[in-house]
Amino acid sequence: DTAVSQTPKYLVTQMGNDKSIKCEQNLGHDTMYWYKQDSKKFLKIMFSYNNKELIINETVPNRFSPKSPDKAHLNLHINSLELGDSAVYFCASSPDRASGYTFGSGTRLTVV
Amino acid sequence: KNEVEQSPQNLTAQEGEFITINCSYSVGISALHWLQQHPGGGIVSLFMLSSGKKKHGRLIATINIQEKHSSLHITASHPRDSAVYICAAQGGFGNEKLTFGTGTRLTIIP
Repeated sequence: DTAVSQTPKYLVTQMGNDKSIKCEQNLGHDTMYWYKQDSKKFLKIMFSYNNKELIINETVPNRFSPKSPDKAHLNLHINSLELGDSAVYFCASSPDRASGYTFGSGTRLTVV
Repeated sequence: KNEVEQSPQNLTAQEGEFITINCSYSVGISALHWLQQHPGGGIVSLFMLSSGKKKHGRLIATINIQEKHSSLHITASHPRDSAVYICAAQGGFGNEKLTFGTGTRLTIIP
């Protein structure tokens, strides 16, 4: 069973479209995250949710909206996609502050 | 200047060599993470440490809180260790986000 699963794995879309990336974890963790890895492979936090509540919201355009329907899911919706949004997006979860992270396999988003 | 700096950026070594990757950070932290990203892109958490030293198989991670420095060592390196190794600083209470280093690309030649 996959611990943190993201869908889709690849997403190619045109500028201006709206798209969503889904993330689900079956580990019973309370905290979930979205990270963005740019073309230079640099990772940066975007959002963090703890038990469905937003706790970290970095400087991200408000075209990006996370949604957590329950603590096992954290989806990322992106409106009006731009070329600069092309990146790999990683979902991760952790049980608490004192524990390590489990990452999903990533979603490679390409905006054309 | 990045809050988390890694060195070297790239490292190529022969199979069997002892490997050291360094990480320095300028922010206050509650923990330091070492992650491994394989060529296929997946990220695996190797260590989370807030003091001292941890060992898992051929991998050893150390941290010096006073000097704000951590090292990842690989003993008896093997081509399957080839990957990007990333250190990440976890903020203190109320700000648990990870701030990442730029990664070290390790290549082990058979």
